[in-house]
Amino acid sequence: GQNIDQPTEMTATEGAIVQINCTYQTSGFNGLFWYQQHAGEAPTFLSYNVLDGLEEKGRFSSFLSRSKGYSYLLLKELQMKDSASYLCAFSDSNYQLIWGAGTKLIIKP
Amino acid sequence: TAGITQAPTSQILAAGRSMTLRCTQDMRHNAMYWYRQDLGLGLRLIHYSNTAGTTGKGEVPDGYSVSRANTDDFPLTLASAVPSQTSVYFCASSDSGTGGDEQFFGPGTRLTVL
Repeated sequence: GQNIDQPTEMTATEGAIVQINCTYQTSGFNGLFWYQQHAGEAPTFLSYNVLDGLEEKGRFSSFLSRSKGYSYLLLKELQMKDSASYLCAFSDSNYQLIWGAGTKLIIKP
Repeated sequence: TAGITQAPTSQILAAGRSMTLRCTQDMRHNAMYWYRQDLGLGLRLIHYSNTAGTTGKGEVPDGYSVSRANTDDFPLTLASAVPSQTSVYFCASSDSGTGGDEQFFGPGTRLTVL
């Protein structure tokens, strides 16, 4: 079967670093996506990993280990506007995205 | 650039009634998708279309139908609404239906079925 899991909620302090983990199981894999979704808004793309390793994009980085079925999103220098839900999703053998339930990130001053 | 638009923004619908949710994109993307998002659950794919004239079933297609007559439009129809179809519906598009293409999402339609 297929499944994907990420923590429901995390809290962090403005200016700090936070790592949001995502684990998945699937027989067919075509990459791992991270999206950001502010409350009441549409998801917006953050990153895509298809090979193992770290992809850095400004304050955000995403890591993938295919052998472990594991990814994380690293957010540095947290700002209040980073308060949002972060969704991970993998692309399965049919290129359909299977989504986690999202991690709600709360940033405190 | 409008990107991807959805209508209506929200709707309250009586059970048993039919309704069509509209979705239009102006990016000339080949692939389009309909998802529903429910509290505590991930986005779930209802139907998709990899190119104009073709459609496919996603994870939760029952009670929904779609058509893709042209590249830009991808309407979702509920033939006879039930309360379990109360949800937020997102339409999305991507350049292709394969690979690592980013999916662009519309603003969503909040549907309540009573």
